[in-house]
Amino acid sequence: SQKIEQNSEALNIQEGKTATLTCNYTNYSPAYLQWYRQDPGRGPVFLLLIRENEKEKRKERLKVTFDTTLKQSLFHITASQPADSATYLCALEGGTGFQKLVFGTGTRLLVSP
Amino acid sequence: DTAVSQTPKYLVTQMGNDKSIKCEQNLGHDTMYWYKQDSKKFLKIMFSYNNKELIINETVPNRFSPKSPDKAHLNLHINSLELGDSAVYFCASSQDNRANEQYFGPGTRLTVT
Repeated sequence: SQKIEQNSEALNIQEGKTATLTCNYTNYSPAYLQWYRQDPGRGPVFLLLIRENEKEKRKERLKVTFDTTLKQSLFHITASQPADSATYLCALEGGTGFQKLVFGTGTRLLVSP
Repeated sequence: DTAVSQTPKYLVTQMGNDKSIKCEQNLGHDTMYWYKQDSKKFLKIMFSYNNKELIINETVPNRFSPKSPDKAHLNLHINSLELGDSAVYFCASSQDNRANEQYFGPGTRLTVT
């Protein structure tokens, strides 16, 4: 069956360190993958999109990689700040030809000062 | 100006009632979506409309009926509400139905008692 797995346990790191979040999937062949941030009581906010023919994408302190052989995406936040504390969701293109996103359950990141 | 807005923000109602949630986007996007986020924070697509045409209809009970009067609006009507319908419902939009970032509304927290 199809699965998208993100660490269900919260990731606790210290300010200034690099946070690395993992998204693994099985039985999907997504044409692209997106990462969103969600704060409590709010809707998800788009961060980055990476296509299957791209290995890496960067935006300011954010970096995402996409390994279609390992079926894995890694999401990095460098020089993390307490304001980066949130839940991060990965979302795969669901293979319908339309933009159907299938979301993972998210990983909560806590950055302590 | 809010890009994607939803009303109401909170909705508390009894089992068996019928209720509607409204969504509007002022981004000029062609595609709109409804998502359901359950108590475990799992975000799942329900419907998608592109230029007022239904293009994604997941396995949602037919008590849920979306309506798109125009490209900027996508409403969700729910008949005969059940306890299991309690969740946060998010509306989202994207430029079109290809690989684009999605903009989410603030969510409507529905509680069925």
